[in-house]
Amino acid sequence: DAKTTQPNSMESNEEEPVHLPCNHSTISGTDYIHWYRQLPSQGPEYVIHGLTSNVNNRMASLAIAEDRKSSTLILHRATLRDAAVYYCILRDLRKAGGTSYGKLTFGQGTILTVHP
Amino acid sequence: DAGVIQSPRHEVTEMGQEVTLRCKPISGHNSLFWYRQTMMRGLELLIYFNNNVPIDDSGMPEDRFSAKMPNASFSTLKIQPSEPRDSAVYFCASSFERSSYEQYFGPGTRLTVT
Repeated sequence: DAKTTQPNSMESNEEEPVHLPCNHSTISGTDYIHWYRQLPSQGPEYVIHGLTSNVNNRMASLAIAEDRKSSTLILHRATLRDAAVYYCILRDLRKAGGTSYGKLTFGQGTILTVHP
Repeated sequence: DAGVIQSPRHEVTEMGQEVTLRCKPISGHNSLFWYRQTMMRGLELLIYFNNNVPIDDSGMPEDRFSAKMPNASFSTLKIQPSEPRDSAVYFCASSFERSSYEQYFGPGTRLTVT
């Protein structure tokens, strides 16, 4: 499985931007970069994904390095509700039972603390 | 849409008992995943179903674990007999593979085996 490396924890102040880094130096050409987050006592929640180009959605932005060996999740204005564990995942296509599917392999993630 | 529904939310049982966890995926989704989360091992994929058929069960820890999906709107994960090391939070997730990369997770079932 392609692996990702994230800082164990980060802190931010409310209403400030947050940049969450992720290294994935062994990424293959077909791996999509996915970000999920897990709020306390909840299941993981999809945030954003990309392949090569930077991506924006209502929750966040994803900046992908030109060589694709690293990426950064950007929360433009952190709120207290953004305090969570953020997972950077390489979604690889697996073949099993004659079917291809995208497998998510979760690492330890980054614990984001947001201070009021 | 109600999202992925799991029951029970909490389960406490004694070692050796049978435990059945239930999941109702989002209507229209054709893929269903069971995950287990512990402090030691993090979030692990146990089994993946596509169109109600088990496709990848390589993550199922041992024969005490079994999963079924009798129809598109229901799946079960059974542990028989249960052991204290099975204590974890079990998540069910669903997606519409091929058109969406998002997996939608349920709230989880917290299992405690004493």
